[in-house]
Amino acid sequence: EIVLTQSPGTLSLSPGERATLSCRASQSVSSSYLAWYQQKRGQAPRLLIYDASSRATGIPDRFSGSGSGTDFTLTISRLEPEDFAVYYCQQYGSSRTFGQGTKVEIK
Amino acid sequence: QVQVVQSGAEVKKPGASVKVSCKSSGYTFTSYDINWVRQATGQGPEWMGWMNPNSGNTGYAQKFQGRVTMTRNTSISTAYMELSSLRSEDTAMYYCARGPPRNIAASGSHWFDPWGQGTLVTVSS
Repeated sequence: EIVLTQSPGTLSLSPGERATLSCRASQSVSSSYLAWYQQKRGQAPRLLIYDASSRATGIPDRFSGSGSGTDFTLTISRLEPEDFAVYYCQQYGSSRTFGQGTKVEIK
Repeated sequence: QVQVVQSGAEVKKPGASVKVSCKSSGYTFTSYDINWVRQATGQGPEWMGWMNPNSGNTGYAQKFQGRVTMTRNTSISTAYMELSSLRSEDTAMYYCARGPPRNIAASGSHWFDPWGQGTLVTVSS
């Protein structure tokens, strides 16, 4: 099973700042089959990025994904108040597994 | 618009079974896989398995093999997930989530969008 490790566990930033979230896989993720989700308190996860770098429908362009192999990154170029949430990565190259999440909180 | 709406919260005793439903609307139910994911409080999501509503074919995560059954009723565009032999560690929010279009899934992409609102299953004596 591919284990996904997200870092940092918590990111404390101010609105307008840039957020960089990391997702590292225990083995190479084939074909960059990796997605990112946003989850707000009391809500279901929402798809942001799929296939490592493709934005889902309706997702603002301040969200971007990059990476391949074992190292992937989600970048939020300028944090808006509604972006403070928990973010999860998921790989679907070999079965499907999720990371443990990164919480982006207001500093 | 595309929606997946789940059944309400359940409270079960250890050893019992629970069956959660997921009703789809706004798209052709048989053209997209349905996945089931659970999430314990404060934890990351955990994938349980998938089902092809057209064929009824399923694939279960090894952890749940023998304990989970995924079915569907195409006449009402509804998928079901039944988990048996419940224990306290099964207490979690259970989500259904639609996969990508079948032609994209066939190439290997299996992201989840959209997700249902979740069904809280509590296992307690």
